Amino acid sequence: GAVVSQHPSRVICKSGTSVKIECRSLDFQATTMFWYRQFPKKSLMLMATSNEGSKATYEQGVEKDKFLINHASLTLSTLTVTSAHPEDSSFYICSAVGQGVLGGNTIYFGEGSWLTVV
Amino acid sequence: GEDVEQSLFLSVREGDSSVINCTYTDSSSTYLYWYKQEPGAGLQLLTYIFSNMDMKQDQRLTVLLNKKDKHLSLRIADTQTGDSAIYFCAENTPLVFGKGTRLSVIA
Repeated sequence: GAVVSQHPSRVICKSGTSVKIECRSLDFQATTMFWYRQFPKKSLMLMATSNEGSKATYEQGVEKDKFLINHASLTLSTLTVTSAHPEDSSFYICSAVGQGVLGGNTIYFGEGSWLTVV
Repeated sequence: GEDVEQSLFLSVREGDSSVINCTYTDSSSTYLYWYKQEPGAGLQLLTYIFSNMDMKQDQRLTVLLNKKDKHLSLRIADTQTGDSAIYFCAENTPLVFGKGTRLSVIA
């Protein structure tokens, strides 16, 4: 079945540095990928919609200059947290739109990435 | 390990009730969630329930939780064509999602 791989699963970075998280669709092409963030004990929040070959669409309140999204190919989208601060520490999860088992589109999730900024 | 199971497909007639079921494995889950994804859109949080509750109602939505059987359900009353979407249940933090149930509403 379709698999979405996210890397790294856990990362610790120093305050002020940048960190990149990758989201790959392993056996299908995904023209659309989504990036979510989950705060502790909170539900998932959609950050942005990533479309291959074009600029990402950010949700209201998400800083596009801070959370850089690049969807350079049909199997890879990256999220770069720039100038990270401790409040950026969170769980980030991506998803990709692919072909469902019953036809039509369905969504597959990555395993998520824990970011800790110290 | 954590695993969330859902049926893949549900078809109902407009005006009928829809019931989407989900089973989960992590009994320590504090929150359980239902998300909706419309075609081409990102995930929307529909509702959630605390693990110490049995039922939560929010307008047309009713969530039932059976902790003993680790079973969660979402009932949509008076289902409309606009309810056609994929519905995901999810447990725990970080979120573990089911594969989603595709709801098709027939006019």
